[in-house]
Parts: sequence; C-alpha cells; structure tokens
Amino acid sequence: DAGVIQSPRHEVTEMGQEVTLRCKPISGHNSLFWYRQTMMRGLELLIYFNNNVPIDDSGMPEDRFSAKMPNASFSTLKIQPSEPRDSAVYFCASSSARTSGSHEQYFGPGTRLTVT
Amino acid sequence: AQRVTQPEKLLSVFKGAPVELKCNYSYSGSPELFWYVQYSRQRLQLLLRHISRESIKGFTADLNKGETSFHLKKPFAQEEDSAMYYCALSSAGNMLTFGGGTRLMVKP
Repeated sequence: DAGVIQSPRHEVTEMGQEVTLRCKPISGHNSLFWYRQTMMRGLELLIYFNNNVPIDDSGMPEDRFSAKMPNASFSTLKIQPSEPRDSAVYFCASSSARTSGSHEQYFGPGTRLTVT
Repeated sequence: AQRVTQPEKLLSVFKGAPVELKCNYSYSGSPELFWYVQYSRQRLQLLLRHISRESIKGFTADLNKGETSFHLKKPFAQEEDSAMYYCALSSAGNMLTFGGGTRLMVKP
C-alpha cells in the first residue's frame, strides 16, 4: 500500500479563493482524520470520520471550512473563502482499530497551504 | 475530557547527552499512549506505543499511571534525532489527542 495520499502537496492561493484539499486513506481503514499544523498552535484535529460518517467536527474553525467523505477511499477538506490565517500544513490520517487492535494513525505527507 | 501536556516547546542537548522529553496526560479511562516523530518537512510517523513496551531507535517510554506520565527517553542523543516529537493519547472512537509537541535539537 502506498500509504495515505494527499494532494496537492503545495497550494498557493489568493485570499478569497476556494481551496480543496484531497485525501486517499489506506485501503481498509475505516477512520479518517483531518489535522492542521501551525507553529503557533501545533497539531489540531479539525474533523474525523468513522465509516464515512463525520463523528466530531468541533475542531473545524468556522463555517468557511467543510469536509466530506463520499466513499471509503476519498475525502476532501474545503476552505471557502480562504484567508491568510488559514496558511498551515494540513494533514490527513487514517486508522483501523479492527485490523491492528490499536488506535495507531497513519499520516499523509501533508498539504502546505499558503494564502496571500 | 482528556488532555496531553508537553511542557517543553524546545529541548536542546549536545550529541551524546541523555535526553528526556516530558509528557503528562489526564484521562479518566485506561490510557493508550503513543509517541510520534516528525523529521524536518516530513509526515508524522509513529515512534513507539506504550502497549508494545519496545525500544525504537534507542528511545524508550514507560507509562507511569501514578504520575500520569509517559516520558520519552534516550541515553545518548544523536544528531539525527533532531525532530519534532508529539505525545498522543488514544480515547474512544479511534481519536488521538496530541500534546503541543517538543522540538528536540541535538547539537554536534
């Protein structure tokens, strides 16, 4: 398995534009997580899905952020409209307690977002 | 609610010196704890988990329920250990609660 795949790896956009980040979890994993990493706030959980259903989105900063998981192999995180303070690295992670018996999460390489 | 605290944002040591990255947690249930490492501009990856009681790259971590701690230790630091280290606690629903992270710098 190639691991968790994220695209794009880098995104530079202007304030006000829509940004869509994509994630493909590891095949067979039933949980998917979106995190944001900044120097100031460290690693923050934005939202997570179990079996494609959003379970906890309390970390989503505001209504400009939305996430979907239309099927078990794909998820998107959308920011509309984007703002400079959204600049960060966004990580996707997946896990499956069924297969490993533990809650280890496997992270993607991240998307570095810069909003100018 | 669960919480993970890493009191040091930055830890700087010389090569060959012992290193201890502190992690304290609060959780009402039976904790499952992890250490993740992130090398420069790379993805986070699991370093070790307490249930395995293993040593990875010379690092060990012991769960102390009395002190609610899970400190990461290595007797002799190497320059390649320089990275960001995150302590994490697993709770219901496969969620991980991460600490704020500690940046370890190993100087030559």
